[in-house]
Amino acid sequence: DGGITQSPKYLFRKEGQNVTLSCEQNLNHDAMYWYRQDPGQGLRLIYYSQIVNDFQKGDIAEGYSVSREKKESFPLTVTSAQKNPTAFYLCASSIGNLGRTGELFFGEGSRLTVL
Amino acid sequence: QQPVQSPQAVILREGEDAVINCSSSKALYSVHWYRQKHGEAPVFLMILLKGGEQKGHDKISASFNEKKQQSSLYLTASQLSYSGTYFCGTEMYAGNNRKLIWGLGTSLAVNP
Repeated sequence: DGGITQSPKYLFRKEGQNVTLSCEQNLNHDAMYWYRQDPGQGLRLIYYSQIVNDFQKGDIAEGYSVSREKKESFPLTVTSAQKNPTAFYLCASSIGNLGRTGELFFGEGSRLTVL
Repeated sequence: QQPVQSPQAVILREGEDAVINCSSSKALYSVHWYRQKHGEAPVFLMILLKGGEQKGHDKISASFNEKKQQSSLYLTASQLSYSGTYFCGTEMYAGNNRKLIWGLGTSLAVNP
């Protein structure tokens, strides 16, 4: 079955450590996205990529980094520069650019807790 | 820029109807609706493009009034499975691009 796989589902890290969240899709989608979700908040866009080897900052990119070396993969690194990294992180993909061709397909999410 | 969803929360008995509204202060290209259950990924419901269209999915339908920059989601004869948080995403113009901004969500609980 096609879909998006995020790992790990739960992650605990000490303050000051970088962590990398994995996102893999086998839907052959061009565009991939990382969102952050905090309690009572809507989704906020961290980074997105419309094509391999290219990505753009979203609304809250500070303290995060990404890469897009393969079409299927879009890992997110939460660096020590991110002041409040504890959150639920969602990866998504779509056939085309944001909203242009339809729905976003979301992964199950990764919950990061910084101790 | 963030769309405003109302109500913030609603509690229904199984079989009752509900309406969730999503309003924006900006001109919209489209409105997206998703449902998210606790701890799970959001699930796509529908997209409405400008032009005042209506769409339906089982007993869930929605309308989009482009002039009012408002969309409404209608849940008819609610089922227990409808429980969750409903998010609207409003796609608006941002220079030469379009941008998707999400509302804070409406929590819906359907009780037996």
